[in-house]
Amino acid sequence: DAKTTQPTSMDCAEGRAANLPCNHSTISGNEYVYWYRQIHSQGPQYIIHGLKNNETNEMASLIITEDRKSSTLILPHATLRDTAVYYCIVRIHGSGNTGKLIFGQGTTLQVKP
Amino acid sequence: GAGVSQSPSNKVTEKGKDVELRCDPISGHTALYWYRQRLGQGLEFLIYFQGNSAPDKSGLPSDRFSAERTGESVSTLTIQRTQQEDSAVYLCASSLDAGIGYTFGSGTRLTVV
Repeated sequence: DAKTTQPTSMDCAEGRAANLPCNHSTISGNEYVYWYRQIHSQGPQYIIHGLKNNETNEMASLIITEDRKSSTLILPHATLRDTAVYYCIVRIHGSGNTGKLIFGQGTTLQVKP
Repeated sequence: GAGVSQSPSNKVTEKGKDVELRCDPISGHTALYWYRQRLGQGLEFLIYFQGNSAPDKSGLPSDRFSAERTGESVSTLTIQRTQQEDSAVYLCASSLDAGIGYTFGSGTRLTVV
């Protein structure tokens, strides 16, 4: 089981913010939320991860609710190159843990001109 | 190298033949994963290597599939007596220890005819 629920698809206008939701109501205390994306015909690309605080990097922001049962990935100014399948994953983080990535079906984000 | 390298990039084989797929992880990365992605589907976990620990083989679909890794270097995924349902892109990923973001290769596209 992927342990996460995401919408199958979303559209976003170029230049606007893309907000991708993810539900992970059964997340446990030592599991992190990870986001990856897969552009057509390429391997998945790491975007961002977090535990309970909001995180931001050069690619995106991650907002995690206080109860950690859901999160939102924000691409602040979507471009056509952001069209991809976005995967939300929960996993144990750190040395000595199996922590394998289990991918669900993800959200297909279509950025339109 | 700078990234995860997989070879060959494409492989066409006849049903019943054995194939060997190769993954060169990023130097120093102790964790290595193999995934399978059928056309239009999500990523399916196959096997996970972490340092000198016993590999997690829980995702291998049948005894026709096996994988080896020598130390923290190259890994090979072997599929014996290939079947048409083995046709997929086989993706390899590596990570420093079991943490943060995994770097994926571009995959090997296997077609069984």
